[in-house]
Amino acid sequence: GAGVSQSPRYKVAKRGQDVALRCDPISGHVSLFWYQQALGQGPEFLTYFQNEAQLDKSGLPSDRFFAERPEGSVSTLKIQRTQQEDSAVYLCASSSPREQETQYFGPGTRLLVL
Amino acid sequence: DQQVKQNSPSLSVQEGRISILNCDYTNSMFDYFLWYKKYPAEGPTFLISISSIKDKNEDGRFTVFLNKSAKHLSLHIVPSQPGDSAVYFCAFLSGNTPLVFGKGTRLSVIA
Repeated sequence: GAGVSQSPRYKVAKRGQDVALRCDPISGHVSLFWYQQALGQGPEFLTYFQNEAQLDKSGLPSDRFFAERPEGSVSTLKIQRTQQEDSAVYLCASSSPREQETQYFGPGTRLLVL
Repeated sequence: DQQVKQNSPSLSVQEGRISILNCDYTNSMFDYFLWYKKYPAEGPTFLISISSIKDKNEDGRFTVFLNKSAKHLSLHIVPSQPGDSAVYFCAFLSGNTPLVFGKGTRLSVIA
């Protein structure tokens, strides 16, 4: 596709509900990143994939957060038993092998946990 | 332990004048520096970058300056246009570590 796409764009969940957020990176981009952006803050790193391998998950805030990219393209970020503090915008970014330093972001999924 | 400080949450500039956005950092291992621009309800868009071996990079109306000794990064936009109104984030890379972002500065360009 032309850019990184994410779905859904908005998600309202009741506390305790599980959610799944999807990211479609730019075609050919091997690196994929997930970030969490709280209100008034910059994006904060959650996890990183190179192809299907999850190379860094040091930013995941708890074991309720899980990400996968089984075929090295589409990725899913899953949050189990959502809490109110999980409310944030979840951003996905991808980068190409030739331009690794530059990450291209999707529009984000705004998650609101009630 | 804040590695990046983007101390001005907002900035207003008259159309046609220069906008100067600033970031300070503490991690001397950072070796690649980027600016992203974000409109409401959209993801950040890459704007311009600079590596640690340079002190200036220019792209049209946008110039990024790096002062390694002062650990200071700035973005100059001249002339500023109303369409430049957005939130600007500085972001920093060190080797294979993840991007570290500042908190953002909301720029308003007034016609």
